[in-house]
Amino acid sequence: NSKVIQTPRYLVKGQGQKAKMRCIPEKGHPVVFWYQQNKNNEFKFLINFQNQEVLQQIDMTEKRFSAECPSNSPCSLEIQSSEAGDSALYLCASSLEQLNTEVFFGKGTRLTVV
Amino acid sequence: GDSVTQTEGLVTLTEGLPVMLNCTYQSTYSPFLFWYVQHLNEAPKLLLKSFTDNKRPEHQGFHATLHKSSSSFHLQKSSAQLSDSALYYCALSWGTGKLTFGDGTVLTVKP
Repeated sequence: NSKVIQTPRYLVKGQGQKAKMRCIPEKGHPVVFWYQQNKNNEFKFLINFQNQEVLQQIDMTEKRFSAECPSNSPCSLEIQSSEAGDSALYLCASSLEQLNTEVFFGKGTRLTVV
Repeated sequence: GDSVTQTEGLVTLTEGLPVMLNCTYQSTYSPFLFWYVQHLNEAPKLLLKSFTDNKRPEHQGFHATLHKSSSSFHLQKSSAQLSDSALYYCALSWGTGKLTFGDGTVLTVKP
């Protein structure tokens, strides 16, 4: 069973509302990733962290999302102003190292923007 | 940029027949390759990853060989089982570890 815990499992927001989701990575994993999986099951990388530092993020994330991984608190991903196209499954994942290591995924937060 | 191509969106076959899911990739660098499997309403899980010493990874009867000359990492299994029905993703990573996924292949195994 996945040891990456994501909350909430389901989230419904109106257009323009903020949408916040949280992730507790597997214990001892310093690297955290966020991906978006759309209704066609396609993955899009959003952002990753090592400890509290951002390693890489895409343009959309930088402009419309707020993400952080504070020490001793869950990581979070927040859409500042939800759009219909943001409806998707948001997957958090963690790993021990950056490269060539198993990445463990949570079950995701399914966001529906109405 | 990096990309991963999985040519089959849907594969349906009968239990006991061999499985082969195609994966080719493009990358400026020498990436690591992975296969992830996702069952319905479950989190994606690692199935296989490439080795730097070119050993062939195997897990749950699946294996894959990294061919750098053809930029391929096809997934194979000699005999499909009903429980293999799932969504399979090929992915690559390098640098910060970000995974670039293919579009996925839905494998359905019928009795």
